[in-house]
Amino acid sequence: NFMLTQPHSVSESPGKTVTISCTRSSGSIASNYVQWYQQRPGSAPTTVIYEDNERPSGVPNRFSGSIDSSSSSASLTISGLKTEDEADYYCQSYDSSGLVFGGGTKLTVL
Amino acid sequence: QLQLQESGPGLVKPSETLSLTCTVSGGSITNNNYYWGWIRQPPGKGLEWIGSIHYSGNTYYDPFLKSRVTISVDTSKNMFFLKLSSVTAADTAIYFCARHGGNTPEYYFDYWGQGTLVPVS
Repeated sequence: NFMLTQPHSVSESPGKTVTISCTRSSGSIASNYVQWYQQRPGSAPTTVIYEDNERPSGVPNRFSGSIDSSSSSASLTISGLKTEDEADYYCQSYDSSGLVFGGGTKLTVL
Repeated sequence: QLQLQESGPGLVKPSETLSLTCTVSGGSITNNNYYWGWIRQPPGKGLEWIGSIHYSGNTYYDPFLKSRVTISVDTSKNMFFLKLSSVTAADTAIYFCARHGGNTPEYYFDYWGQGTLVPVS
């Protein structure tokens, strides 16, 4: 199995742009799709990005995803930050051994 | 609108078996060949995938939990189930059931239950 490593926390001001990274420990980041989930306190996760860079309906286009094969990492970028974006964010991918979640990143919008 | 609801005992003793049910409403568990999964979250920690099942009974399990996990399905009741044996305090977590958005476990989770806290004590 592989691991997905995320920064423990990031913070940024309202209106700014923040990027959260997710680095795959082994294998190519491009081998399997990466998903991003948002989890607010006391709630179940919801998907903000799936299949590397696709947004579910209802997710604003302020949220975008990308992958970089050279660094074996995926990124979630949130532009025009709003206080409501404050949450935990988890990346997730897959290989033949199963699903793997990153450790999560706490986004503070202050 | 598809809804998933976890249910089970509020407390499990160490060394016993944790048993949870996920009831699916607003759609059939056999529709479109979706996979259905269990995920857990220890208090204050991150998400952990436990395993996933297709209505045909085909299952995938996390390699580290595989020896203790059984996931099954009852299509007549539109439910799927989790059994985790020989639990310890480390298995204390919020347990979520969820649906994969496609016909393999590689698809993202598009619908989630609200989660149920299961303490082991």
